[in-house]
Amino acid sequence: DAKTTQPDSMESTEGETVHLPCSHATISGNEYIYWYRQVPLQGPEYVTHGLQQNTTNSMAFLAIASDRKSSTLILPHVSLRDAAVYHCILRTYSGGSNAKLTFGKGTKLSVKS
Amino acid sequence: GPKVLQIPSHQIIDMGQMVTLNCDPVSNHLYFYWYKQILGQQMEFLVNFYNGKVMEKSKLFKDQFSVERPDGSYFTLKIQPTALEDSAVYFCASSPDWGGAYTQYFGPGTRLLVL
Repeated sequence: DAKTTQPDSMESTEGETVHLPCSHATISGNEYIYWYRQVPLQGPEYVTHGLQQNTTNSMAFLAIASDRKSSTLILPHVSLRDAAVYHCILRTYSGGSNAKLTFGKGTKLSVKS
Repeated sequence: GPKVLQIPSHQIIDMGQMVTLNCDPVSNHLYFYWYKQILGQQMEFLVNFYNGKVMEKSKLFKDQFSVERPDGSYFTLKIQPTALEDSAVYFCASSPDWGGAYTQYFGPGTRLLVL
């Protein structure tokens, strides 16, 4: 049911641009790609989501491959507060039994000063 | 972003007692969720709720669990009686609709310790 694959961990340095990959080779045409992040002892924080087109907001840029089988969350100029576990999650357009979010282990991003 | 509030932030109770966890969802949201996270483990879905009804629940949502949202008040998770394995952080979330286009926003969690 997980349907996404992410590296367990990545390291970065403050000020760098970080690329977090996610593979979803069996994605369906009606599935959105969501990214959340979570720091210890806090609730998951919504980062961004997309369907087909690349998206950008104040937190990140989401690059979606043309075949939609992979995506990359790009965090520009990371700071120490960007250190978190980043989750890539697929959600069906129609909701129903897929309304829930299914969290995996995600990618633990470490940021050095 | 939109804020979900949870009360209390921490709760310690004795095994067998009842506990009620409260969630104040985003004001115009209609769909509500509870998730459970044991320390160091993955977040897991418990239940979602809409229009006074449970829409879906997982196997973690035991018979001792119940949810409700009386009009205009908190969305609550009640555990009666509690067991040691219920010790976890419980996160509430809400969304305006339940399709994939609608983002779920999470609260900060209630840390429950059952002794």
